[in-house]
Amino acid sequence: DAKTTQPNSMESNEEEPVHLPCNHSTISGTDYIHWYRQLPSQGPEYVIHGLTSNVNNRMASLAIAEDRKSSTLILHRATLRDAAVYYCILSYSTLTFGKGTMLLVSP
Amino acid sequence: AAGVIQSPRHLIKEKRETATLKCYPIPRHDTVYWYQQGPGQDPQFLISFYEKMQSDKGSIPDRFSAQQFSDYHSELNMSSLELGDSALYFCASSRPSGGSTEAFFGQGTRLTVV
Repeated sequence: DAKTTQPNSMESNEEEPVHLPCNHSTISGTDYIHWYRQLPSQGPEYVIHGLTSNVNNRMASLAIAEDRKSSTLILHRATLRDAAVYYCILSYSTLTFGKGTMLLVSP
Repeated sequence: AAGVIQSPRHLIKEKRETATLKCYPIPRHDTVYWYQQGPGQDPQFLISFYEKMQSDKGSIPDRFSAQQFSDYHSELNMSSLELGDSALYFCASSRPSGGSTEAFFGQGTRLTVV
């Protein structure tokens, strides 16, 4: 699986937007860009995924660069419950977790 | 909505014993994945099954084996347990996707080897 690079951690204040970046310069044409998050002692949770176009769902938005070598997960209004480790994963089939970004949200 | 069910939730075993973890996927999901997550580590892919056949293999030790049954549930069998096997074990299920659908994870089984 192609490799992704994410910041180790980011901080945000409650009610503010959060932009979580991910670099994936070696992405292949068949790789989907997935985002999962994991709260402490819980299983990973699907957030969003996309291939080429930007995607929106009830949880977040995914902005994909035109060359697909990077993407950004956007949480429009962070809440305390959004504090988690966020993983950016490139996958055609199996999800391979790398080092994610720990998001800290302050009241 | 039904989620992925894992049992047991907690398991304590002694070194050199065996353990069996069970995973019941979401109905109509025919792909199952197993992951191991050690303390402070990221989830590591172990093995996956599609339609009862192994579809992909990750860093699963030779002491471990797994299978998917006709009702699509899966079992991870772990023998000659070592202290280092202490971890959270997650199962996930999905529809066959080619990367285009999401996987749903269970709450995990916490295995402690003493």
